[in-house]
Amino acid sequence: AQTVTQSQPEMSVQEAETVTLSCTYDTSENNYYLFWYKQPPSRQMILVIRQEAYKQQNATENRFSVNFQKAAKSFSLKISDSQLGDTAMYFCAFMKVAQGGSEKLVFGKGTKLTVNP
Amino acid sequence: GAVVSQHPSWVICKSGTSVKIECRSLDFQATTMFWYRQFPKQSLMLMATSNEGSKATYEQGVEKDKFLINHASLTLSTLTVTSAHPEDSSFYICSARVQSPLFYGYTFGSGTRLTVV
Repeated sequence: AQTVTQSQPEMSVQEAETVTLSCTYDTSENNYYLFWYKQPPSRQMILVIRQEAYKQQNATENRFSVNFQKAAKSFSLKISDSQLGDTAMYFCAFMKVAQGGSEKLVFGKGTKLTVNP
Repeated sequence: GAVVSQHPSWVICKSGTSVKIECRSLDFQATTMFWYRQFPKQSLMLMATSNEGSKATYEQGVEKDKFLINHASLTLSTLTVTSAHPEDSSFYICSARVQSPLFYGYTFGSGTRLTVV
């Protein structure tokens, strides 16, 4: 079964600095999607960034970028110029197509990021 | 775009009663919706997947008769917690797949905090 591992339960960073959140996954699939979601104290899940496995180029969304290493099954998130509003739980997620054509997102346990002023 | 509206945001009910949670896709058709449960400081646990017009697919260990899911239209999916007990108290989140020529991903409702007393 596919698994997603986030090895950093908690992290902190100073405002305006850069932080990297780690994520590894295990799969035998060749085609899949990877996501980073943010869950602030409001608990609304917000999509941060998405990566298609067939794309070699790392995805970038403004201050957020990923380092996707397919062979190593690694998908880290880099947040540049951290802002107080980035304080949240960050979940790495893997999308697989399950048996029978159904699909499901598999989430990691999350990393709690605190941005300090 | 791609907004999922979830109601109620929070609900308190007496043990033994039933509670219905609604998720509506406001500006797109959601052929597939997912229902998650999240315990405090934990990740999202997939409970079931619902497809419009067909029976929901439940994850192993989830009681079908307790958590009734209906996906009668392309814009509405409901989760009914029947004969609720204190152990059913949790945060429930729905999600829908969004697929367009420019985007593939998942959008989430704002969640429902259920407290059973």
